[in-house]
Amino acid sequence: AQSVTQLDSHVSVSEGTPVLLRCNYSSSYSPSLFWYVQHPNKGLQLLLKYTSAATLVKGINGFEAEFKKSETSFHLTKPSAHMSDAAEYFCVVSDRGFQKLVFGTGTRLLVSP
Amino acid sequence: GAGVSQSPSNKVTEKGKDVELRCDPISGHTALYWYRQSLGQGLEFLIYFQGNSAPDKSGLPSDRFSAERTGGSVSTLTIQRTQQEDSAVYLCASSPYPSGNTIYFGEGSWLTVV
Repeated sequence: AQSVTQLDSHVSVSEGTPVLLRCNYSSSYSPSLFWYVQHPNKGLQLLLKYTSAATLVKGINGFEAEFKKSETSFHLTKPSAHMSDAAEYFCVVSDRGFQKLVFGTGTRLLVSP
Repeated sequence: GAGVSQSPSNKVTEKGKDVELRCDPISGHTALYWYRQSLGQGLEFLIYFQGNSAPDKSGLPSDRFSAERTGGSVSTLTIQRTQQEDSAVYLCASSPYPSGNTIYFGEGSWLTVV
């Protein structure tokens, strides 16, 4: 069975500093991995996805993630945080048929001025 | 429509009552998913539809929960005899399928059972 572990429940950064949100996955086959963002009282928005193409995936709003098979990781990064990045971020793994998404427990990103 | 539409956006119901939550997927999307998001439980998979059939119902928490999809489009999630632990945000998502395509989420139906 697939699973993801988000290593931090909360991450606090200052505006303009780098963001690192950590995610480790477990899968018995080559996984498809996603990062979703949820702003307060809003639905989930896809930031980026990895589906066995390039290991460095670029997403929206300046976010990117690197798939590292040897480390079973898919960490999300952004060079410079913006106040509007404050939200909950979910690392997600899917089964082969995309029939089921398995969500991590989420990381709340706080951005201070 | 432009996105996944869910209704009602908010519902407060009394314990023991039945509720129906509706999802209107993006036009042309054959795959439809229901998830539940609650405090302390994170996001849980409930059910997946491909067309009108549901090959995976494994996430439905009890027999009080059921879902159907008609015409390969609109889906209804029904909760009978609601309990307080059913209070959560119920999220619907759709995808154009086959695999590899992005799954798009609606904004959710907030259910509060009092």
